Order: sequence, then C-alpha cells, then structure tokens
Amino acid sequence: ELKVEQNPLFLSMQEGKNYTIYCNYSTTSDRLYWYRQDPGKSLESLFVLLSNGAVKQEGRLMASLDTKARLSTLHITAAVHDLSATYFCAVGGSGNTGKLIFGQGTTLQVKP
Amino acid sequence: DTEVTQTPKHLVMGMTNKKSLKCEQHMGHRAMYWYKQKAKKPPELMFVYSYEKLSINESVPSRFSPECPNSSLLNLHLHALQPEDSALYLCASSQDESGTPLDPLHFGNGTRLTVT
Repeated sequence: ELKVEQNPLFLSMQEGKNYTIYCNYSTTSDRLYWYRQDPGKSLESLFVLLSNGAVKQEGRLMASLDTKARLSTLHITAAVHDLSATYFCAVGGSGNTGKLIFGQGTTLQVKP
Repeated sequence: DTEVTQTPKHLVMGMTNKKSLKCEQHMGHRAMYWYKQKAKKPPELMFVYSYEKLSINESVPSRFSPECPNSSLLNLHLHALQPEDSALYLCASSQDESGTPLDPLHFGNGTRLTVT
C-alpha cells in the first residue's frame, strides 16, 4: 500500500528565511505532484515531477525528486507572507493519473 | 479562477435530506473525480469516472451516489448522511484516466457540506 509522509506538518518561519519541506513515499511511483491550498480554498497545482533528479522552480519555490530515495523536497527561499498556505505532496499510483495519495500536508506560516 | 466549477459552495443538510452536489468542466477532460477532505486533513479519493463510466469506487458508503450525465458534468447525490460526513467535497478533472502524467488534476473550489 502506497503511503506518503510529509514533514514537518507545521512550519512557522520568519520572512526572508529559507526552509525545506520533505515528502517521503513508500513504493515506486512514476509521478509526484506538489499542490498549494489556502484556507477554505481549493488545491492549486505547483509542480509536476516525473523523473529522477527532476528539479522545477517557480519564484521562491523549488521542488526536486529523488526516485531512488523515494523523496521529494520543496525548498522555500527568502520566504514572504504570501507563501503562507498548506502544501501537499501527492504521489500517483501506477497507471491511473487520478488516484493520487496525498501526504498529510505542511501548514506554512510566514511571519513578518 | 478555477476551470472546474462546483455548486453549491456551501450546503447544510439534515440527516434525512436528499441533496446533490454538482461539478462542471469545459476543458474537454475525460476523467472526473470526487475527493473528500476533512478539516486539516489531506483529500481522499472517493470516485473516478473515466469516459463517463465509473472506474473506481473507493469503498464509499452507498449514501453517496455519483452520476456522470455527460463528459462535462459530474454529480454526487447525497442521502441519509451522518454528521461525520461533514467535509469539503472536491471535484477534479484530468485529460484522461490512464495517460499523460504531466497533466495534474484540476480541482474545483469545493462544496463545504455540513450535516446536522
């Protein structure tokens, strides 16, 4: 059974600081996604990672994938308040793109 | 704005009521999904429709009944729900069920359901 674990589950950080969120998964998968969710809102797709060593960057966020270690990271550079949200990683089971198994989510709070 | 539209945004219903949640997308996607999300928890898959046919039912109780009238619409019929069914119900779509891992799920804004 595929399991996905994120850590930390809660992260409070100062503006301007750097930090990394980790996502471990238990069985082989050919795709990993990062989503952002603001309180009471839907999920917004941030990154799609498909291959070992894949690195994607958008603004202050950078995601990477190590399929051998079954580990993805979401690195936050020089955090700003607008990044405050809950971040989920999600791993796809084989075949079906829609059957995603989500991590528990990391709630990020960026303080001025 | 999301390209997947869900109505209503909020719904309060009693345990004896019958109600329906609606979802619509016009991206030409052929796979549509229902996810359930409890507060401070990740989304959990309920149903998958592929080319208007139910392909996955994640052992969801029969008080939840999905329907896909056409490729753009997805409904979730609710009957005799319990208070523990209160949650955010998210609809999502993707190009199709089996291919294109590059295409992430596109989520709607959800319906916040409260069962009293």
